[in-house]
Amino acid sequence: QKEVEQDPGPLSVPEGAIVSLNCTYSNSAFQYFMWYRQYSRKGPELLMYTYSSGNKEDGRFTAQVDKSSKYISLFIRDSQPSDSATYLCAMSLNSGGYQKVTFGTGTKLQVIP
Amino acid sequence: DAGVIQSPRHEVTEMGQEVTLRCKPISGHDYLFWYRQTMMRGLELLIYFNNNVPIDDSGMPEDRFSAKMPNASFSTLKIQPSEPRDSAVYFCASSLGSVSYNEQFFGPGTRLTVL
Repeated sequence: QKEVEQDPGPLSVPEGAIVSLNCTYSNSAFQYFMWYRQYSRKGPELLMYTYSSGNKEDGRFTAQVDKSSKYISLFIRDSQPSDSATYLCAMSLNSGGYQKVTFGTGTKLQVIP
Repeated sequence: DAGVIQSPRHEVTEMGQEVTLRCKPISGHDYLFWYRQTMMRGLELLIYFNNNVPIDDSGMPEDRFSAKMPNASFSTLKIQPSEPRDSAVYFCASSLGSVSYNEQFFGPGTRLTVL
């Protein structure tokens, strides 16, 4: 079993839809939970990160963490064609004084105009 | 700052040849990471350095892979000899180090094809 599981998609939605992306994990030692966005033929870039259970909002994006269920989500409201990308969840834990990051395999999202 | 710089952006080579990938991290960052990304396995950490010293190379697939960081502004990942299964996108990333979270900044990647 992988430490971090993520549905690869692809996920195709119409413009304006609410998108829900999810990951599960097995290691309860994970401390930070992140979402990276990766456009085609580009490197991943950080979208949001959270430390504790609960919700964090940034514009149209909301990250949700449920540590008791080992489940994290990213919600995108009013999705736009420019949101079309691969979304990678990531989690980190303290390893020798540094936060070691484990990535999910990514979910490919397409927002259709 | 120009961000993390990687070269070449694309590399096509034949099985058995040596491949060298290059990375220039963001100035001032003391951690450098090499990742490999494939459709099947996603983004995998190969090795990371702290202050130019390799800390964890447990992700390096086998002895054919080696990485160096001779100074704070340059790192290489070498594959010798290369095999078709090494075909992937290789990313370099850098960050500031801390016991709390620090964002990793990724380069544009090197797309490697081994024929």
